[in-house]
Amino acid sequence: DQQVKQNSPSLSVQEGRISILNCDYTNSMFDYFLWYKKYPAEGPTFLISISSIKDKNEDGRFTVFLNKSAKHLSLHIVPSQPGDSAVYFCAVSTWGNTGKLIFGQGTTLQVKP
Amino acid sequence: GAGVSQSPSNKVTEKGKDVELRCDPISGHTALYWYRQSLGQGLEFLIYFQGNSAPDKSGLPSDRFSAERTGGSVSTLTIQRTQQEDSAVYLCASKPGQGTYGYTFGSGTRLTVV
Repeated sequence: DQQVKQNSPSLSVQEGRISILNCDYTNSMFDYFLWYKKYPAEGPTFLISISSIKDKNEDGRFTVFLNKSAKHLSLHIVPSQPGDSAVYFCAVSTWGNTGKLIFGQGTTLQVKP
Repeated sequence: GAGVSQSPSNKVTEKGKDVELRCDPISGHTALYWYRQSLGQGLEFLIYFQGNSAPDKSGLPSDRFSAERTGGSVSTLTIQRTQQEDSAVYLCASKPGQGTYGYTFGSGTRLTVV
């Protein structure tokens, strides 16, 4: 049973439009949430995070939204750029633990020029 | 070094052979993790080292998998008697200490068992 699910394997958007990537989790004990971005043949890189005491965190073009009651996390990228094309993983953890992360399966984003 | 270094970048091995994958974490990072990504899957936690504490081996899929970290720095992941289902990208990550910030991944080792 997967504790973190990204139900959309892929997403295609036009340059300049908004990209919305979604993630659902099952355990209400998770209290720290992250998004990672991965290009081919590279390791994942940290993008943005949010703790459970917030419902929104913004960093430039990237905003993460957390809906604790729905156990749902989303990443908004606006405006989307071709360089954003990559695989996006959401990850969850429990604050203060070993730092072990549980990852979703990833969503491949393609931004078309 | 400046980043997390993994070697080899690619490894093809015959079923039943043993393989060793190496990870050089960022200098000074006390926490080191191994994950793997099988085709179409997310990143699966394998093992965690923190300083001199006993490692968290809860993610190792079988007793064919083992890992060590010598001198609190370099780590080696060993897979004995490899099977085709072991084919995956093995990723190493390090960070300065406890907590969930500052996780830096290496580029991974792509293991193919034929």
